[in-house]
Amino acid sequence: DIQMTQSPSSVSASVGDRVTITCRASQGVSRWLAWYQQKRGKAPKVVVYATSSLENGVPSRFSGSGSGTDFALTISSLQPEDFATYYCQAANTFLPTFGGGTKVEF
Amino acid sequence: QLQLKESGPGLAKPSETLSLTCTVSGGSIIKSGYYWAWIRQPPGRGLEWIGSIYYTGSTYYNESLRNQVTMSVDTSTNQFSLKLTDVTAADTAVYYCARYASAWYFDNWGQGFRVTVSS
Repeated sequence: DIQMTQSPSSVSASVGDRVTITCRASQGVSRWLAWYQQKRGKAPKVVVYATSSLENGVPSRFSGSGSGTDFALTISSLQPEDFATYYCQAANTFLPTFGGGTKVEF
Repeated sequence: QLQLKESGPGLAKPSETLSLTCTVSGGSIIKSGYYWAWIRQPPGRGLEWIGSIYYTGSTYYNESLRNQVTMSVDTSTNQFSLKLTDVTAADTAVYYCARYASAWYFDNWGQGFRVTVSS
């Protein structure tokens, strides 16, 4: 099974900051890596899929990069609505695995 | 617009079988290339994939839960279901149903359904 190591587990940031979250897979996952945003009490929502494709409606300040085993989600200028927990998810085709999450907080 | 909604009992006793249903609306569960999945989140913790099912009934399960999990699909009602046997307190979680898209990510999620296992 693929293991996903996400870091940091939490990050303190301010509005306007550039924030980068990383995810490392225990084996290559090609480009099948997605990022989700979850706010308290809500279901996760996809932000980026296939490493760098932005989901419809997601602001362009979000971007994804990487390949193989190392991936990153960057928020170029943090906005108040971006404070949330972010999860990466990779897939060995039919078998998805989530990272442990990164809480972006003040 | 596709919507998914979980339903079932919110409380189960240890050793019982938990049954949850996800109702899909705004689109057909019979859609080539898309799987339907269950994911859970214990209180204060991260996300855990439980399993996925295709409209044909083909299934994939998390190896760590394989002995507990059965998923089924009913195309006539546009629903799919989860059965989790012999539950313990460790199965207390918010359970989400979701659609697993062809690029291997979850593109639509239900709102989540809280299940507590307690005597």
